Amino acid sequence: DGGITQSPKYLFRKEGQNVTLSCEQNLNHDAMYWYRQDPGQGLRLIYYSQIVNDFQKGDIAEGYSVSREKKESFPLTVTSAQKNPTAFYLCASSPRVTIEQYFGPGTRLTVT
Amino acid sequence: KNQVEQSPQSLIILEGKNCTLQCNYTVSPFSNLRWYKQDTGRGPVSLTIMTFSENTKSNGRYTATLDADTKQSSLHITASQLSDSASYICVVSRGENAGNMLTFGGGTRLMVKP
Repeated sequence: DGGITQSPKYLFRKEGQNVTLSCEQNLNHDAMYWYRQDPGQGLRLIYYSQIVNDFQKGDIAEGYSVSREKKESFPLTVTSAQKNPTAFYLCASSPRVTIEQYFGPGTRLTVT
Repeated sequence: KNQVEQSPQSLIILEGKNCTLQCNYTVSPFSNLRWYKQDTGRGPVSLTIMTFSENTKSNGRYTATLDADTKQSSLHITASQLSDSASYICVVSRGENAGNMLTFGGGTRLMVKP
């Protein structure tokens, strides 16, 4: 998992509540990413950020929001607008967008 | 449509045996292809990265091959160990000017039995 931490490892929320997942890296990487993983499916990109104060939507950004106020931190908020939020969420970072990505340990979110 | 297809979806082998996992892709343009190992409930860990000009790359008992003409890659595991039990994910990159630059395969779930 390198120098990327995600917390908490398991998160439970009631439907209709917003929830924020934490991602921190001490690798001095410029780029950070959020992915969602569902059983039997490939990882899907939610948002990515190439530099502080800048981020871009991925394939499935609807219902999610991010911020990149610090180089080390890239929190993901799952809003009540996300129709099917229960999933395994992975954060990753890389020196640049084309370079190998290092993944965090993941957060499993369950919304009931 | 940019896609990465992996086969088989799951595989069971006996400890000590070899196995080969397949990856076919239709991603364009092509920048590089990566294989990751993901233990259950953990983040993926990189095994190999290959660019267009590389045909093969090894990492210990893992050997990846790439045929850019047929758009196929394979990951060969030699003398499997119980710790090889994991999902193996093939990822193709389109390069930094392609916006959403990575396409992930669905993975092959490998189980190594004693």
